[in-house]
Amino acid sequence: GEDVEQSLFLSVREGDSSVINCTYTDSSSTYLYWYKQEPGAGLQLLTYIFSNMDMKQDQRLTVLLNKKDKHLSLRIADTQTGDSAIYFCAGTAAGNMLTFGGGTRLMVKP
Amino acid sequence: NAGVMQNPRHLVRRRGQEARLRCSPMKGHSHVYWYRQLPEEGLKFMVYLQKENIIDESGMPKERFSAEFPKEGPSILRIQQVVRGDSAAYFCASSPMTSGSSYNEQFFGPGTRLTVL
Repeated sequence: GEDVEQSLFLSVREGDSSVINCTYTDSSSTYLYWYKQEPGAGLQLLTYIFSNMDMKQDQRLTVLLNKKDKHLSLRIADTQTGDSAIYFCAGTAAGNMLTFGGGTRLMVKP
Repeated sequence: NAGVMQNPRHLVRRRGQEARLRCSPMKGHSHVYWYRQLPEEGLKFMVYLQKENIIDESGMPKERFSAEFPKEGPSILRIQQVVRGDSAAYFCASSPMTSGSSYNEQFFGPGTRLTVL
């Protein structure tokens, strides 16, 4: 099955860019997703990318997909304190279920 | 249009008791997914249901856990004879589509946090 890996922790200063990385093993995922989880809350879909795309930009968010290296990244420009949360990458494995990475905790310092 | 609703939000049970977690999907969604999040970990798929059918339960523990999504009413995740290791956040998601090759956003509920004493 799909295996998705993320670094555990990232700390940035307010106004800087944040880059959260994710690697995956199964290249058959048609879509790859980034979710945000704030403390005590559910998951909020931030953005997604279709597997035949290399890049997708959505306001402050840029997703890069390197299919050769099976590497996905999420860049948040002008990071704000409200961006502090846990970020999960996910892919669709066989069937419709999502396979999640372990999450990256982003801390934004004022 | 209300989002995915889960109740209770917090549930405390003693070892050996039963836990029942409820999920009402978004209006118009007929597909429900249950995920479990252990402390400091990502979400792990448990089961995927359509109305009155279990489509994929490959992530469900073989014993004590069951799920249903009846024709009327919410989806229920039932854990019998709970143990401390069942303590986790249980998330439900719903979607309107089935095709694995099409964009199929899953909308997540706020989760039920189960604590087993």
